[in-house]
Amino acid sequence: AQSVTQPDIHITVSEGASLELRCNYSYGATPYLFWYVQSPGQGLQLLLKYFSGDTLVQGIKGFEAEFKRSQSSFNLRKPSVHWSDAAEYFCAVAGFNDMRFGAGTRLTVKP
Amino acid sequence: NAGVTQTPKFRILKIGQSMTLQCTQDMNHNYMYWYRQDPGMGLKLIYYSVGAGITDKGEVPNGYNVSRSTTEDFPLRLELAAPSQTSVYFCASTGTGGFMNTEAFFGQGTRLTVV
Repeated sequence: AQSVTQPDIHITVSEGASLELRCNYSYGATPYLFWYVQSPGQGLQLLLKYFSGDTLVQGIKGFEAEFKRSQSSFNLRKPSVHWSDAAEYFCAVAGFNDMRFGAGTRLTVKP
Repeated sequence: NAGVTQTPKFRILKIGQSMTLQCTQDMNHNYMYWYRQDPGMGLKLIYYSVGAGITDKGEVPNGYNVSRSTTEDFPLRLELAAPSQTSVYFCASTGTGGFMNTEAFFGQGTRLTVV
């Protein structure tokens, strides 16, 4: 079955600094990969997704992610973090009737 | 344009009580899902439905029941609440084909505490 690992439980970055959140997946076929963001008390919002094609995908809010099949990774990046980016971030891999989520990475942004 | 709506937002139950978490969507989606989110564990699938009258178990179905009598509604029932069911519950929906073909929409969650 598909699975996702997010190695970092909590990351703190300074506002304006760059960000990279790590995600490793396990899936037998071509993976369908997603990054979601969850603000406190809110539902999940889709940041970006990868199905096929260009391995560098652009999302909303200035985020991007790169799919690397050789490393089974789908890391999320942002060149300059804003205070409003503080939230929990989930990487996920989709199967036909399920989506498997990582445990999440909580992002704190220092002023 | 409400999307996926869950009620209630918060609830405290005593051990052994029962309750129904409501979920409704107005996007005419065939596929609907219930997830639970525990701290440090991500979201895990409880049950899903691919259409009215059709439901199936997910990864963690024990202690829950569902029904799907209409396209719009997918209630989740807890019959005998236990402390292990303290969690945040999310309902989601997708179009036909599920997560691999269409975008998923999530409700804002129901925070349930069993004491």
